[in-house]
Amino acid sequence: AQKVTQAQTEISVVEKEDVTLDCVYETRDTTYYLFWYKQPPSGELVFLIRRNSFDEQNEISGRYSWNFQKSTSSFNFTITASQVVDSAVYFCALSEVNYQGAQKLVFGQGTRLTINP
Amino acid sequence: EADIYQTPRYLVIGTGKKITLECSQTMGHDKMYWYQQDPGMELHLIHYSYGVNSTEKGDLSSESTVSRIRTEHFPLTLESARPSHTSQYLCASSDLGGANLNTEAFFGQGTRLTVV
Repeated sequence: AQKVTQAQTEISVVEKEDVTLDCVYETRDTTYYLFWYKQPPSGELVFLIRRNSFDEQNEISGRYSWNFQKSTSSFNFTITASQVVDSAVYFCALSEVNYQGAQKLVFGQGTRLTINP
Repeated sequence: EADIYQTPRYLVIGTGKKITLECSQTMGHDKMYWYQQDPGMELHLIHYSYGVNSTEKGDLSSESTVSRIRTEHFPLTLESARPSHTSQYLCASSDLGGANLNTEAFFGQGTRLTVV
């Protein structure tokens, strides 16, 4: 069975600090996808990144970066120079590769990130 | 920007009422999904669809039902609402993307349902 664990329930930092959100996953599949989503107070889930299991390159997008380590089954997310607008709940998710194309996501428990001015 | 819409955004309803949560997308996606999110934050898949006339149960058992008569529309129905159905319901859609078999899922803003 697939499982995603986000051990950090809540994180609170002061603006401009760097912060890392941890994500550890379990799967028996050799091919899979990993995702990060952001959920602001308005409720929708905003897609941040998708990574497939064959691509272990780290990725940087502006202040956001992701570290994928297959050896430790981790897909951590770092926000550099955090801003108040980064405050939200962040979800890590895992998806099998379904050859009919269905994106069945297994979510972690989420990490509530609060950036204080 | 994702074009997936859910109505209503908020619904407070009495026990025993029948309700339908609407979800529509204008992206032409074949795959659609319903997730349930309780106040403890974790999301669970309750229904999904591969396309028109296809509906499947998700990982979390739900008393709700869904239908997919049109590509763009994936409503969720509760025949008799109960307080245990109080939750947020999020609809999503995705497409089959060429060499990348799975593209990301796009989510609606959710419906917050309260059954009193």
